[in-house]
Amino acid sequence: DVKVTQSSRYLVKRTGEKVFLECVQDMDHENMFWYRQDPGLGLRLIYFSYDVKMKEKGDIPEGYSVSREKKERFSLILESASTNQTSMYLCASSLGSTLTEAFFGQGTRLTVV
Amino acid sequence: ILNVEQSPQSLHVQEGDSTNFTCSFPSSNFYALHWYRWETAKSPEALFVMTLNGDEKKKGRISATLNTKEGYSYLYIKGSQPEDSATYLCAFASSNTGKLIFGQGTTLQVKP
Repeated sequence: DVKVTQSSRYLVKRTGEKVFLECVQDMDHENMFWYRQDPGLGLRLIYFSYDVKMKEKGDIPEGYSVSREKKERFSLILESASTNQTSMYLCASSLGSTLTEAFFGQGTRLTVV
Repeated sequence: ILNVEQSPQSLHVQEGDSTNFTCSFPSSNFYALHWYRWETAKSPEALFVMTLNGDEKKKGRISATLNTKEGYSYLYIKGSQPEDSATYLCAFASSNTGKLIFGQGTTLQVKP
């Protein structure tokens, strides 16, 4: 069974903290993605990566960075967490191009207080 | 930013009703259109990946059609069941990017 695993289901952090969200996939997929989901806005792409050490900005990269040191792991970093980053974060991976389906993790609900 | 719109935003139907919703996307530089089902407390799961104009796909009681020239896709559910209650997401892939752009979703509630 294919798997995308996110390190935490729920997370509460303080404003100004540096936050790491980890995502691991076991399918040897080239592409990995980080989305955030807010009510009424759907999934918005933060960053994606199509290879180790490669990254591309999505539609809302401000306040975030990413790291992909190994093919199976894609980390999202909130450099200095702010309350407007309170959201559901979803990681996904896919094989090759966007002609193939994406597989999602279970999501991390982050609350910044 | 490419715009992907889904309608309606939410839908309440009775068990046994058939229903459909719409995904609108840019008609230029089309590459693929994805449909996902996202049940509460679970991960989104792919229903269909569609690439050709006129494509029709079916999985059980759920089917989808694609019109790339006018930029829309319909998702149909025949004889809705309570277990069909979920948010249905469509995602557009443009030929000149490597990313999926999602619509805001349609939330379906099926009452027994």
